[in-house]
Amino acid sequence: KAGVTQTPRYLIKTRGQQVTLSCSPISGHRSVSWYQQTPGQGLQFLFEYFSETQRNKGNFPGRFSGRQFSNSRSEMNVSTLELGDSALYLCASSRTYRELSTGELFFGEGSRLTVL
Amino acid sequence: TQLLEQSPQFLSIQEGENLTVYCNSSSVFSSLQWYRQEPGEGPVLLVTVVTGGEVKKLKRLTFQFGDARKDSSLHITAAQPGDTGLYLCAGAFTSGTYKYIFGTGTRLKVLA
Repeated sequence: KAGVTQTPRYLIKTRGQQVTLSCSPISGHRSVSWYQQTPGQGLQFLFEYFSETQRNKGNFPGRFSGRQFSNSRSEMNVSTLELGDSALYLCASSRTYRELSTGELFFGEGSRLTVL
Repeated sequence: TQLLEQSPQFLSIQEGENLTVYCNSSSVFSSLQWYRQEPGEGPVLLVTVVTGGEVKKLKRLTFQFGDARKDSSLHITAAQPGDTGLYLCAGAFTSGTYKYIFGTGTRLKVLA
């Protein structure tokens, strides 16, 4: 079955712009989590959505937001981009929200954002 | 604050050698996963361990969960260049607020 699909794979923006990233989970998976990966900080949790509701949120500023649609597809948005937002943004899906599972995540290939 | 420490951070070995990567926490995991990430791709799930003392094998990879569920190890026998990548452990902590945290990662390079 198809894996997690993220679009776009690569994008370049300038400071002050905003960006929207998209994630389509594995068919049947209802939970989508977003992570930011940088060389210095590793994988940092952004937020998790389940049934169109945000269940958990990491320690990121309000410029980072997300949503989930009724078909479980998710988008995340970063407004007023800063140089430090340059990173690989990873989306992961799971069957249910993580408190109810043993925690396995299935990741997409990521969206690499470069902010100039 | 729960932290996952992985060691070593970097490892460069020759093909055919054995190696062990460690993942340690000061808190008890309710479950733990190991992932491998190759350049330009997302992490891929290798294994889940849940029970203290559990040992799982995946071909040349052996995963062990500590008896107290605070640590785990990944042992690779006869490493191959295809094992090259970033190895990440990740653990779920359910005492208090649920948290799922990734380790700092071990970057492995296997030279032919």
